[in-house]
Amino acid sequence: DTEVTQTPKHLVMGMTNKKSLKCEQHMGHRAMYWYKQKAKKPPELMFVYSYEKLSINESVPSRFSPECPNSSLLNLHLHALQPEDSALYLCASSQGTAYYGYTFGSGTRLTVV
Amino acid sequence: AQKVTQAQTEISVVEKEDVTLDCVYETRDTTYYLFWYKQPPSGELVFLIRRNSFDEQNEISGRYSWNFQKSTSSFNFTITASQVVDSAVYFCALSRGPGGGNKLTFGTGTQLKVEL
Repeated sequence: DTEVTQTPKHLVMGMTNKKSLKCEQHMGHRAMYWYKQKAKKPPELMFVYSYEKLSINESVPSRFSPECPNSSLLNLHLHALQPEDSALYLCASSQGTAYYGYTFGSGTRLTVV
Repeated sequence: AQKVTQAQTEISVVEKEDVTLDCVYETRDTTYYLFWYKQPPSGELVFLIRRNSFDEQNEISGRYSWNFQKSTSSFNFTITASQVVDSAVYFCALSRGPGGGNKLTFGTGTQLKVEL
């Protein structure tokens, strides 16, 4: 199993809603990542979990709250988002640090209305 | 600091043409890794290749080939006999070596359009 699975694939939410994005991998990878990607731009790192502990937060607003319940799961909790938060949210995992390379999921296309 | 430059924003070719995507990188590290990813319209970034800084051997995989030249800090990607299915955004990326942390530095991407 060499996949990173993200759900949902599409999400439309209002600015007062609370929603969660989910990511799952069963490759035994010990690092998991959340990236945000706007149209025609490269992915931007948001959070890194290493061995289930948050190791990097790229100064992401608190309306985004990551959670790593176990080594296979990664969640991103969303609350009070703004329309400019509309983007493709990508989850990735890696065997170790970045030099191993990442395996990406297919992403969640989020629209905030 | 690390930096990756993909100067070609968009390239359009006709099917069966060969096309080269350029990637130039900057790093002060002696050990580093370079990557290419493909992002089709579906959104997933698909891993294509990983190359470490000590291995300058060029690589060929089917219609894909990569030319790594440390002297010019370049890691270019060539698609031979392009096909419509090659249409995607291609990202070049750079990481530090072992112990260097969890960050990949991405270039800005090159949109490749292959037309019939």
